Amino acid sequence: TQLLEQSPQFLSIQEGENLTVYCNSSSVFSSLQWYRQEPGEGPVLLVTVVTGGEVKKLKRLTFQFGDARKDSSLHITAAQPGDTGLYLCAGAPGGSNYKLTFGKGTLLTVNP
Amino acid sequence: EAEVAQSPRYKITEKSQAVAFWCDPISGHATLYWYRQILGQGPELLVQFQDESVVDDSQLPKDRFSAERLKGVDSTLKIQPAELGDSAMYLCASSLEGGDTEAFFGQGTRLTVV
Repeated sequence: TQLLEQSPQFLSIQEGENLTVYCNSSSVFSSLQWYRQEPGEGPVLLVTVVTGGEVKKLKRLTFQFGDARKDSSLHITAAQPGDTGLYLCAGAPGGSNYKLTFGKGTLLTVNP
Repeated sequence: EAEVAQSPRYKITEKSQAVAFWCDPISGHATLYWYRQILGQGPELLVQFQDESVVDDSQLPKDRFSAERLKGVDSTLKIQPAELGDSAMYLCASSLEGGDTEAFFGQGTRLTVV
């Protein structure tokens, strides 16, 4: 079973601050996805990274896939209260094994 | 915009009763997932279908849970009998194929067992 560990588990910051959350594994993933989930709702896909070393930007969010495709990070610049939510990473080994496994998430609170 | 539909949105049931959840994936999506999520934690995969076939149900408590996707389209997840520890959010997701393609989630069913 491939495990994804996310850190920190909880993060509370003030509006305007920058932050980085991490998703790590000892296993290689063919692709890795980041989701954001608000209370009482299903996760919403933010981005998929597939190439080692890849960097993708989504407005104030920057996603990076590690060179060895075992880890990823999400950096948020100038956080806003609307960024509050549970950030989840998910990955699949690829090939014939396409079980999509989730980390436990980072619960981010951005205070106005 | 295509969405994954789930019903009911909320369900309260007494322990030992039977309960069922329904999911209609995005049209054309071959892979369908059922996840269980406890408050504040990440989703845990219960069962994964490729078309009408189960490809992974290793974490499904088969003594009380069952899932089917008879025509390879919509799916039903059943719990019988429900236990207090089953209280959670049950999420359905679909993707074009398994694994490397993106999964799209429904809004989930919040189950409370009393």
